[in-house]
Amino acid sequence: EAQVTQNPRYLITVTGKKLTVTCSQNMNHEYMSWYRQDPGLGLRQIYYSMNVEVTDKGDVPEGYKVSRKEKRNFPLILESPSPNQTSLYFCASRSGSHNQPQHFGDGTRLSIL
Amino acid sequence: TQLLEQSPQFLSIQEGENLTVYCNSSSVFSSLQWYRQEPGEGPVLLVTVVTGGEVKKLKRLTFQFGDARKDSSLHITAAQPGDTGLYLCAGAQDTGFQKLVFGTGTRLLVSP
Repeated sequence: EAQVTQNPRYLITVTGKKLTVTCSQNMNHEYMSWYRQDPGLGLRQIYYSMNVEVTDKGDVPEGYKVSRKEKRNFPLILESPSPNQTSLYFCASRSGSHNQPQHFGDGTRLSIL
Repeated sequence: TQLLEQSPQFLSIQEGENLTVYCNSSSVFSSLQWYRQEPGEGPVLLVTVVTGGEVKKLKRLTFQFGDARKDSSLHITAAQPGDTGLYLCAGAQDTGFQKLVFGTGTRLLVSP
C-alpha cells in the first residue's frame, strides 16, 4: 500500500529539548516536503527536497532542519524547540510533476511547553 | 503573505443543500488542486485542474479553474454528511520546482 508514514503521531515536550519527527514514503517519490498547519493560516511549507541530498527552505524554515540522505526518508529536526513551534505537522511526497497528487502522512501533533 | 484566499472559512448546512467554495488569488498558477482533509488525517487529493476554464466533475462535486488561472471554485450539489471536512485549494507556481501554495481552507459541516 502506497503511504507516507510519520512518527510520532503525538508528542508533548519541553522548550529546548531536541526532537526529530521521522517521515518515510514507499512510492519512490523524488519530491518530499514538510508543512505545518495552524488555525486560520492553512498549510505552510517548512522545507522541501527535490531528491537525495537536495533540500531547500520553504516559507517558514526558522527553527527547523531537515536531511535527505535516502530517497525514502525525510526527517524534520527541531534542535531547540520553542512554544511557537506547537503545531500540527505534515510530511508529503509526490513524483516530479506538479500535476501529480501530493501524498500526505497522517500528521504529527507537537506541543512544546 | 497568503497568496490563496478561500471563502467562506466556515460553512454549516443541512443535508441536501448546495454550496460553493471559492479560491482566489492575484497570482497565476500553472495548475490548481483541491484536497479534502478529515480529522486526524492528512489532506487527500480530489482533483487537479490545469487549463484555464477547465471544468471537472467528481460525482456531486464540480470544480472549475478560472479563465485567467488565478481562481477556482468547488460546487457541491445535494451535500451529504460524508462531505463534511476541511477543503483546501493549492496552486502550483512555476518557480523551477513548482511549489504548491495552499489556501486558508474552508471547513464544511453537513448535518443530517
